[in-house]
Amino acid sequence: AQTVTQSQPEMSVQEAETVTLSCTYDTSESNYYLFWYKQPPSRQMILVIRQEAYKQQNATENRFSVNFQKAAKSFSLKISDSQLGDTAMYFCAFMKPADNAGNMLTFGGGTRLMVKP
Amino acid sequence: DTGVSQDPRHKITKRGQNVTFRCDPISEHNRLYWYRQTLGQGPEFLTYFQNEAQLEKSRLLSDRFSAERPKGSFSTLEIQRTEQGDSAMYLCASSQGPGGPNEQFFGPGTRLTVL
Repeated sequence: AQTVTQSQPEMSVQEAETVTLSCTYDTSESNYYLFWYKQPPSRQMILVIRQEAYKQQNATENRFSVNFQKAAKSFSLKISDSQLGDTAMYFCAFMKPADNAGNMLTFGGGTRLMVKP
Repeated sequence: DTGVSQDPRHKITKRGQNVTFRCDPISEHNRLYWYRQTLGQGPEFLTYFQNEAQLEKSRLLSDRFSAERPKGSFSTLEIQRTEQGDSAMYLCASSQGPGGPNEQFFGPGTRLTVL
């Protein structure tokens, strides 16, 4: 079974600064996908960024980028130029690809990020 | 497309009562998932449908829980004889499959409070 650990329950950052959220995972799989989801207060969860384990290049989506260290089983999220709208719970998630079975997500416990003006 | 919708958004019930939640996925998505999220925690997988077939169930899904997806469209999750420990947010997600890291689109959730 896979496990996902987010060791930072809460973080804060000043607007326009950069923050990094940590995530580690444990799996015996060699091929898998990793995701960061954002859950704003009282709003639904949305995908921020995803990474395929077979790709060495770190994924980037505008102000969001990841540092994927496969050997260390680490998958951190960097948010540059933080904005007030980035305030949310952030969840790291693991997916084992299985075409004939469910691609269910295994989530970490989350990091609550507050962006301060 | 309006995304994944869930109904009701909030449900308060007394212990021992039965409750049913509904999820309408994105229309072209053939995969549908139910997750449970307790306060301050990450979501936990409950069950998964591909079209109308329920293909996986978590051990978290006790005998009091049942889910259906008739005709492969909307899905219902029923909890019988609710307990206070069932209080949580129940999230539904849908995706296209098979193949690829198909993004799961989440609904707003149904928050259940068992008194």
